[in-house]
Amino acid sequence: DGGITQSPKYLFRKEGQNVTLSCEQNLNHDAMYWYRQDPGQGLRLIYYSQIVNDFQKGDIAEGYSVSREKKESFPLTVTSAQKNPTAFYLCATSTGSFNQPQHFGDGTRLSIL
Amino acid sequence: RKEVEQDPGPFNVPEGATVAFNCTYSNSASQSFFWYRQDCRKEPKLLMSVYSSGNEDGRFTAQLNRASQYISLLIRDSKLSDSATYLCVVNLGPLSGAGSYQLTFGKGTKLSVIP
Repeated sequence: DGGITQSPKYLFRKEGQNVTLSCEQNLNHDAMYWYRQDPGQGLRLIYYSQIVNDFQKGDIAEGYSVSREKKESFPLTVTSAQKNPTAFYLCATSTGSFNQPQHFGDGTRLSIL
Repeated sequence: RKEVEQDPGPFNVPEGATVAFNCTYSNSASQSFFWYRQDCRKEPKLLMSVYSSGNEDGRFTAQLNRASQYISLLIRDSKLSDSATYLCVVNLGPLSGAGSYQLTFGKGTKLSVIP
C-alpha cells in the first residue's frame, strides 16, 4: 500500500545485535500491527497498537519490542533475545473498526549474517 | 482444530478454468472475513471482503456460510496473472481493550494458472 512505508527492504543482523525495522503510515489509521511470516506459514502477530503511547503483545512477542510515540510511526526492534529472527516482517494498519481489513506495507526481510 | 484452515493446494489450472477455494474457521463468534492475495515474496493485498449475502467483484465471487463456518472464493475464467497464494482471513473479535481486532490468517493456497 502506498500509504504504509517499511524500511529497509532487506536487513542483516549479526549475532548479539539489536536491529530496528521502521514502519510509517500516512493513512491516519489508529491501529498498527507487526506480523512475522515464515516460509509456508501464516502470519503471526508480534505486537499491536491502538493509540499513541499504548501497545500490546501479540502471540509471539518474546524477543521483540516496539514503541508508538507518534500516530504515524510504529518501529519494531528485534533484540538479541530473539534467537530465530530470520523471517519476513510485515507492518499493517487499520482504522480499528471490526469490519475493516488491515492494509500492509511491502515488508522487510531480515536475515542473520 | 486450527483456527483457520484452507485447502492444502497447490492448484494448477489451465487458463480459462474456474477454480474454487474453501476455508473453514473454528470460532463461531468470528465477525468479519476477507480474502487476501499474496504474490511470491510480496506483502498480502486485500482481494475482497466477504459479506453474509455473498458478493462478487468481476471474476471473483466470495461466499460465507456461518452455519457451517466456512467461506469460499470462486475465480472464473482464470488468467495467468491470477497465479498467487490466496489467504483466507478471519476476524476473531476484539483484542484486549477496544479499538483493534485480531485477524487470523490461514496458511494460504497456492494457485498456478498454466498457459
